[in-house]
Amino acid sequence: DIQMTQSPSTLSASVGDRVTITCRASQSIGNWLAWYQQKPGQAPNLLIYTASNLESGVPSRFSGSGSGTEFTLSISSLQPDDLATYYCQQYSSSWTFGQGTKVEIK
Amino acid sequence: EVQLLESGGGLVQPGGSLRLSCVASGFSFGSYGMTWVRQAPGEGLEWVSGISGSRSNTYYADSVKGRFTISRDNSKNTLYLQMNSLRAEDTAVYYCAKGAHYNFYSNYVDYWGQGTLVTVSS
Repeated sequence: DIQMTQSPSTLSASVGDRVTITCRASQSIGNWLAWYQQKPGQAPNLLIYTASNLESGVPSRFSGSGSGTEFTLSISSLQPDDLATYYCQQYSSSWTFGQGTKVEIK
Repeated sequence: EVQLLESGGGLVQPGGSLRLSCVASGFSFGSYGMTWVRQAPGEGLEWVSGISGSRSNTYYADSVKGRFTISRDNSKNTLYLQMNSLRAEDTAVYYCAKGAHYNFYSNYVDYWGQGTLVTVSS
């Protein structure tokens, strides 16, 4: 099974900061990776698919990059509404989610 | 507007059974793969089971294989999850999720339901 490891587990940043979350796969997954945002008490929401494609309606401050085994989700200018936990998911071989990265606002 | 409405959650004793349902609307249900994803209290997301649009292909996480059965009725726009031999570790919010494409593989979730809570406890 493919394992997905996110870092950091928790991130605290100020409004306006650039934020980067890393997701590493235990073996190559090509670009079969999605990112989701889950706000407190809500269902997850798709942000990015196929590693770098922005889902319709998602603010352009979100971006994804990477291929193979290392991927990043970036928020160019952190906003208060971005308080959430972020998950990566591989869909190259079955499905596996990362353990999540909680983003806090300083 | 895509809507996914789960039901069937509740409190069940260890060893018991539950059947979750998810009624879909706002899209051509039979044209998309569907999935169940769960989230234990305070924990992350865990994929449980997936099914292709035609119902011909089903997939399960090792943790539920042999105990859970996914199915769909495309005439009723409804996804099901039959859960048998439930354990305390199955306690979670169960999300119904729509795939962006027809198959399970090479697919991801583009819409999520709000979830239904399953509690396994004596």
